[in-house]
Amino acid sequence: YELIQPPSVSVSPGQTASITCSGHKLGDKYACWYQQKPGQSPVLIIYQDNKRPSGIPERFSGSNSGNTATLTISGTQAMDEADYFCQAWDSSVVFGGGTKLTVL
Amino acid sequence: EVQVVESGGGLVQPGTSLRLSCAASGFTFDDYAMHWVRQAPGKGLEWVSGISWNGDTIGYADSVKGRFTISRDTAKKSLYMQMNSLRPEDTALYYCAKAYGATVASITFDYWGQGTLVTVSS
Repeated sequence: YELIQPPSVSVSPGQTASITCSGHKLGDKYACWYQQKPGQSPVLIIYQDNKRPSGIPERFSGSNSGNTATLTISGTQAMDEADYFCQAWDSSVVFGGGTKLTVL
Repeated sequence: EVQVVESGGGLVQPGTSLRLSCAASGFTFDDYAMHWVRQAPGKGLEWVSGISWNGDTIGYADSVKGRFTISRDTAKKSLYMQMNSLRPEDTALYYCAKAYGATVASITFDYWGQGTLVTVSS
């Protein structure tokens, strides 16, 4: 099973960034999203498609339908510049290849 | 405060073995599944292995199946990864991650350690 993410996404500060994650019938599974900044460990930002752990800002949201899960960052800030990884379960844990978000 | 702290990484030659450890604290260790995830330099995340709350269910990535063995010790609140027949392509930062649930299929990894670096090179 494979999860496909765009290698890079660019967004202007204050705008909305969308990062997609595609996989066969992904909408039938739960998707998670992780944020990883340089030199740091991954941090869970979305689980079970659209739930935010405590401490994660409301500007992060998720959706999952059909073959695509989407991470949306509203009012993107410079501090959101990072790598983002999606994750799902299909007989084993699968991670997407990651998307580098640039805020410029 | 929930913490998972990895140790045991190092520089080893191809074909040799290494044992990673992960010490857990701040939560009821035997209520949750645990996982190992690795990240090669400059690359993405790769799931390596997971173990259920009681150790009854274990999963491995195809890339390590037959070479790596995951285990856990409830009394010591620790997770382990015995890595045999190491290859240069196993070079990576190895993270220990706590799952949100009890089964290997609980993919929500809510706490991660800082990682321990494994370098396989002659």
